[in-house]
Amino acid sequence: DTAVSQTPKYLVTQMGNDKSIKCEQNLGHDTMYWYKQDSKKFLKIMFSYNNKELIINETVPNRFSPKSPDKAHLNLHINSLELGDSAVYFCASSPTRGYGYTFGSGTRLTVV
Amino acid sequence: SQQGEEDPQALSIQEGENATMNCSYKTSINNLQWYRQNSGRGLVHLILIRSNEREKHSGRLRVTLDTSKKSSSLLITASRAADTASYFCATEAPLGSQGNLIFGKGTKLSVKP
Repeated sequence: DTAVSQTPKYLVTQMGNDKSIKCEQNLGHDTMYWYKQDSKKFLKIMFSYNNKELIINETVPNRFSPKSPDKAHLNLHINSLELGDSAVYFCASSPTRGYGYTFGSGTRLTVV
Repeated sequence: SQQGEEDPQALSIQEGENATMNCSYKTSINNLQWYRQNSGRGLVHLILIRSNEREKHSGRLRVTLDTSKKSSSLLITASRAADTASYFCATEAPLGSQGNLIFGKGTKLSVKP
């Protein structure tokens, strides 16, 4: 049973397109996150949701819009994709503060 | 903003040797966590140490925390080829601050058989 699953695993698309990445967790965790890992392996928080409510929105272009239809899902929609959006995007979840995160296996986005 | 800074950036050892990775951070923390990332995979949580703890063990892993020096170390004893991965430290700010983990840049560990 996959605890945090992301789809798709790979995404290759042209500049200017709109794409979505889906994330689902079956752990019953209250908090979900999106992180971006760049080519140098640096991980940066993008968004955090707690019980479907946005609690963290780091300095991310407004072309990125998260949506949490319920506690178990956190999707990421990206409009007007740019070359610089190429990265690996990770979804993660945790029960609450003070606990470790469970990460998905990542979505490698390549914008050409 | 980046909080943790791992040292060294890369480490290459022989199987059976011990591997020590260090992490320094800048501001107060609620806890510090270590994660492993195998190539092309997601991060896996290894161990969490709270700000009032000084040492923690889990199998072949030993983590220390020195809040006065704002530093932590991860020791992997009797390393195996399967330990080859990148290791990241991550800090969680105290209550009242944003609760997401802030990650360092990672140490790339290579264990040669």
